[in-house]
Amino acid sequence: SQQGEEDPQALSIQEGENATMNCSYKTSINNLQWYRQNSGRGLVHLILIRSNEREKHSGRLRVTLDTSKKSSSLLITASRAADTASYFCATDRDDKIIFGKGTRLHILP
Amino acid sequence: SQTIHQWPATLVQPVGSPLSLECTVEGTSNPNLYWYRQAAGRGLQLLFYSVGIGQISSEVPQNLSASRPQDRQFILSSKKLLLSDSGFYLCAWTQGLADEQYFGPGTRLTVT
Repeated sequence: SQQGEEDPQALSIQEGENATMNCSYKTSINNLQWYRQNSGRGLVHLILIRSNEREKHSGRLRVTLDTSKKSSSLLITASRAADTASYFCATDRDDKIIFGKGTRLHILP
Repeated sequence: SQTIHQWPATLVQPVGSPLSLECTVEGTSNPNLYWYRQAAGRGLQLLFYSVGIGQISSEVPQNLSASRPQDRQFILSSKKLLLSDSGFYLCAWTQGLADEQYFGPGTRLTVT
């Protein structure tokens, strides 16, 4: 069953703009992860944030976690054409990772 | 460094035929292994996971089965494919449970 749910389902922005994707989940977690999937490829791990962390950065990526609201956000700054992909949040449940349905991000030239 | 292989990359099979997809991991020992299925434009559905040789946990009762004959080998099988088995199958590994997962390139299966 679904644990995390991304919002929006799809997002189109101009190159150079910032992209923000959100993830909401239902039960308590130990960590939350974000992954990227290019069309027809496997998923690539982007960042893991633990339940006792509030914010984490990796290059142009910024992830926040609000455990009181059971939500996380992924911010991609200064977007590039290569950022066009689907982005998934994943949460741990019973020692497994459960993925959301993803946000499809399209960067317009 | 660790690498994960999946084959074949694409497969077209008729309904009722058997299936065998293979996944192998290099550069690590005793990984946790996972099989996911992804329908077009959808999220990942966890099918099976394994924490050790011969240990398989099934998440969704269905037409598929999994086996782990060796430490770094994970096989997804079916005796008779259904149309609904079509999808993109992904294998992944982790070192610790609920850690970051490393995915293979996937197998696109079309059942006709």
